Amino acid sequence: DTAVSQTPKYLVTQMGNDKSIKCEQNLGHDTMYWYKQDSKKFLKIMFSYNNKELIINETVPNRFSPKSPDKAHLNLHINSLELGDSAVYFCASSQGTGGMNEQFFGPGTRLTVL
Amino acid sequence: KNQVEQSPQSLIILEGKNCTLQCNYTVSPFSNLRWYKQDTGRGPVSLTIMTFSENTKSNGRYTATLDADTKQSSLHITASQLSDSASYICVVNKGGSYIPTFGRGTSLIVHP
Repeated sequence: DTAVSQTPKYLVTQMGNDKSIKCEQNLGHDTMYWYKQDSKKFLKIMFSYNNKELIINETVPNRFSPKSPDKAHLNLHINSLELGDSAVYFCASSQGTGGMNEQFFGPGTRLTVL
Repeated sequence: KNQVEQSPQSLIILEGKNCTLQCNYTVSPFSNLRWYKQDTGRGPVSLTIMTFSENTKSNGRYTATLDADTKQSSLHITASQLSDSASYICVVNKGGSYIPTFGRGTSLIVHP
């Protein structure tokens, strides 16, 4: 059973398009996250939701809009895609907020903007 | 500025050998430090978490150490296996903050 799943795994699109990445967790966690990992493998947190409420928004362009319809889902919509958006996006979840709570990561979505 | 620095950036060792990865941080106030293993094409997986009062913690062949005074941590891998080839990421959490600070990782390659 997949704990944290993301779709799609690969996404190739043209500059200027709008795209969405979906994330679901079946761990019963109340907190979910989106991370961006650049070409140098550096992971950076983008957003975090706790019980469907936004608690972290790390200076991400407003072209990125997360949506959490319920505690088990956190989707990421990206408008007007740019070349610099090319990266691997990871979804994660944890029970509770704060660093003591282990985060479980999804397999990642590799986004390529042409 | 809160930072996490990892060294070396990359490391190549022969199967069966031991190795040690380093993590130095300036994050303050310190809450805890976690080591993740990230296999190629997959998400990170937690190996161990260290709190202020812990000096050493083991998880199988992985042993993490923490010196909170010098703000240094290490991850020692014993009797390396091919499956240890991965990126190892050090993450430090600041007290009172939800936002983790990530290191850039050490890429480990284990050759047969």
